[in-house]
Amino acid sequence: DQQVKQNSPSLSVQEGRISILNCDYTNSMFDYFLWYKKYPAEGPTFLISISSIKDKNEDGRFTVFLNKSAKHLSLHIVPSQPGDSAVYFCAASARGTYKYIFGTGTRLKVLA
Amino acid sequence: DTEVTQTPKHLVMGMTNKKSLKCEQHMGHRAMYWYKQKAKKPPELMFVYSYEKLSINESVPSRFSPECPNSSLLNLHLHALQPEDSALYLCASSQAGTGTTEAFFGQGTRLTVV
Repeated sequence: DQQVKQNSPSLSVQEGRISILNCDYTNSMFDYFLWYKKYPAEGPTFLISISSIKDKNEDGRFTVFLNKSAKHLSLHIVPSQPGDSAVYFCAASARGTYKYIFGTGTRLKVLA
Repeated sequence: DTEVTQTPKHLVMGMTNKKSLKCEQHMGHRAMYWYKQKAKKPPELMFVYSYEKLSINESVPSRFSPECPNSSLLNLHLHALQPEDSALYLCASSQAGTGTTEAFFGQGTRLTVV
């Protein structure tokens, strides 16, 4: 049972445009959400997170939006840069569980 | 400093070998994790240590044996592995207590079992 899903395995975006990566979850106990960026054969790098008490969090070019009623979150990257090309994972956890459950990942390719 | 250091970076071992993976962090985090990632799959949780005590074992086979000697170190002892255990093994750490904080990952150990 995949509790965190990223339905788009890949996404191509032109440099300078907006990249929107989506993530859906099924467990209503999740109350903390994270986005990680990953290059091949390396560990995930933390990008941005959001608590369930918020609906938006922004950090530089990265903004995460949370829609609790739809159990949906998205990561916006603007403007997209070629160095953003990587696999992006969303992850979710529930208070006190120590379990970070990862989505299946979306491979982003930013075209120069 | 948000660094989690894993050694070795690559490891090839036979099915009868015993080896250990090591992980170290100096962020004062009291929760440490082992994840396993196969190609084109998300990281999967194996073990969680909280305050140096094993708090989660995700039904991992006993050929994988974790150890947390102190608050900065985490080991994963490997014995009698199978070729299907070949994967990227990731260590992570986070603040302990709430589960609502970010986890920081190491670069991983690429393990090949022959």
